[in-house]
Amino acid sequence: RKEVEQDPGPFNVPEGATVAFNCTYSNSASQSFFWYRQDCRKEPKLLMSVYSSGNEDGRFTAQLNRASQYISLLIRDSKLSDSATYLCVVNILFSQKVTFGTGTKLQVIP
Amino acid sequence: NAGVTQTPKFQVLKTGQSMTLQCAQDMNHEYMSWYRQDPGMGLRLIHYSVGAGITDQGEVPNGYNVSRSTTEDFPLRLLSAAPSQTSVYFCASSPSGRAISINEQFFGPGTRLTVL
Repeated sequence: RKEVEQDPGPFNVPEGATVAFNCTYSNSASQSFFWYRQDCRKEPKLLMSVYSSGNEDGRFTAQLNRASQYISLLIRDSKLSDSATYLCVVNILFSQKVTFGTGTKLQVIP
Repeated sequence: NAGVTQTPKFQVLKTGQSMTLQCAQDMNHEYMSWYRQDPGMGLRLIHYSVGAGITDQGEVPNGYNVSRSTTEDFPLRLLSAAPSQTSVYFCASSPSGRAISINEQFFGPGTRLTVL
């Protein structure tokens, strides 16, 4: 089983729609969780960290479910500019090794 | 701040050639890392460093060497290039070096390497 798994998509959604991605992780010692965004042929950039209590940043909401070992990203009122690949990132406690998921591609359609 | 810079942007090598991918950051970050990104595989960690003079292997270290003589620079050396090393290489840095866990990483623009 992969350490971090994501549905590769693509998710094709109309502008204004709400879309959610999940990411599962296998190591229960995982401590830090992040969502990164990567545009085509560009470097990944941090979108948001994921906190135990869940957190929101504008139209984006991140949640952590430790019992089921997954994190989620919800995007409300999708914009064309949200089209990108979203990478789930996990770091294990006391480890300096960071594991990336393969990414979920989102295409927002006019 | 220039952030994380990588050179070259593009490179074509022949099988067996060696080369060094350069990475530098001007944010005084302790943690630096190298990833390769291949279609369908995501980013895979090659090597990382938690501070000057300290390096360690990631998930796919074979065929690559690194050194960290200064805080700013973290070059990646391909010893004898193989077609399987055709990939996009990203360097990243983070302010958290020997911390409990790694926080936000800042990525360079990448080097697109083709090995013929």
